[in-house]
Amino acid sequence: ETGVTQTPRHLVMGMTNKKSLKCEQHLGHNAMYWYKQSAKKPLELMFVYNFKEQTENNSVPSRFSPECPNSSHLFLHLHTLQPEDSALYLCASSQDSVLAVNTQYFGPGTRLTVL
Amino acid sequence: QKEVEQNSGPLSVPEGAIASLNCTYSDRGSQSFFWYRQYSGKSPELIMSIYSNGDKEDGRFTAQLNKASQYVSLLIRDSQPSDSATYLCAARGGSYIPTFGRGTSLIVHP
Repeated sequence: ETGVTQTPRHLVMGMTNKKSLKCEQHLGHNAMYWYKQSAKKPLELMFVYNFKEQTENNSVPSRFSPECPNSSHLFLHLHTLQPEDSALYLCASSQDSVLAVNTQYFGPGTRLTVL
Repeated sequence: QKEVEQNSGPLSVPEGAIASLNCTYSDRGSQSFFWYRQYSGKSPELIMSIYSNGDKEDGRFTAQLNKASQYVSLLIRDSQPSDSATYLCAARGGSYIPTFGRGTSLIVHP
């Protein structure tokens, strides 16, 4: 256990559905991240929040909408997704995204399948 | 475009041997380097971080960094079947957001 939890662990949704992924960290960190991991591709950074403020949006389509109500919780709201969005979605946290020493700790991920 | 390159493998080594995993990076401003282990279907787990040129040892793992050559490696001594996983290399520079490689698949066979 890394101190970062994600729910649900598995999600199957149709292209017209709306769902949300949830991430919670119990490490007292101030930065949280969403990554997408597809087969045979590097981890793709999607969003970064530092002290609840979004600092990075890595050209992510608007059908993905992040929300960070506080430093411990991070959501990823999904709507009208495409089959190519099927992937493992990983949440991570770190002490502070702008610190030189900035080790990230990952949650277990949500395996998303879009039909 | 910042890139981190790794041979996708699989790298196959016998049990008890030394496994050598390599990684190169394109951003000369990179200052911090990380090795993560990811078992199939699981999330990445941090194994080692290294910030200075030279070697850093932790148990059976040794990370080696050569900034002049933009090269970082991970050695696993006395490899065990439980070390079989994908190893992700990450480099972080001035943006403080790490760039990950595709990972190298390691298979340790008995």
